Amino acid sequence: KNEVEQSPQNLTAQEGEFITINCSYSVGISALHWLQQHPGGGIVSLFMLSSGKKKHGRLIATINIQEKHSSLHITASHPRDSAVYICAGGTGNQFYFGTGTSLTVIP
Amino acid sequence: DTAVSQTPKYLVTQMGNDKSIKCEQNLGHDTMYWYKQDSKKFLKIMFSYNNKELIINETVPNRFSPKSPDKAHLNLHINSLELGDSAVYFCASSHGGGGGYGYTFGSGTRLTVV
Repeated sequence: KNEVEQSPQNLTAQEGEFITINCSYSVGISALHWLQQHPGGGIVSLFMLSSGKKKHGRLIATINIQEKHSSLHITASHPRDSAVYICAGGTGNQFYFGTGTSLTVIP
Repeated sequence: DTAVSQTPKYLVTQMGNDKSIKCEQNLGHDTMYWYKQDSKKFLKIMFSYNNKELIINETVPNRFSPKSPDKAHLNLHINSLELGDSAVYFCASSHGGGGGYGYTFGSGTRLTVV
């Protein structure tokens, strides 16, 4: 069992839909990251969370420390949101990565 | 442009060869990392390094070695390449250990060992 688990593994949505990707972790963490990997392979850091909620444009990330759970929400999804979304949690220099959620948004 | 840059982007080489991948960041970050992404898209940390400490993931074979000539560079040397080393390798940097204020990733190096 991985220290960081994501669900779903694959997600297909229609353009405009509200999307939620979930991340659960079993280790103590000081921060949790959400990353986006584009089809071309590049990785972009979306959010770093240690508590509460952050919003950037149509993206919202939340974390519940007590439940060891984080969610990434995408409002009004668009085909350009199609990518693999990865959560990573840890402390110090040891971070554990989830296996990623592959999102496809259909026009 | 401020960024993390890796070279080369693609590397094809024969088994048994020794190769290096270079990484440079001009963000003023104090911590750099190397990750391996396998065929299942799973990212695994290989090394993290700041000016005080090198932390090595114990599962990484000692054929892999990081070399940091200065704070802005963390190169990855791989000796005696094996077929299983084929993967995409990502360099990243952050300010503070553990990606304290968020990571910035390079664009990746796709290594193919034949």
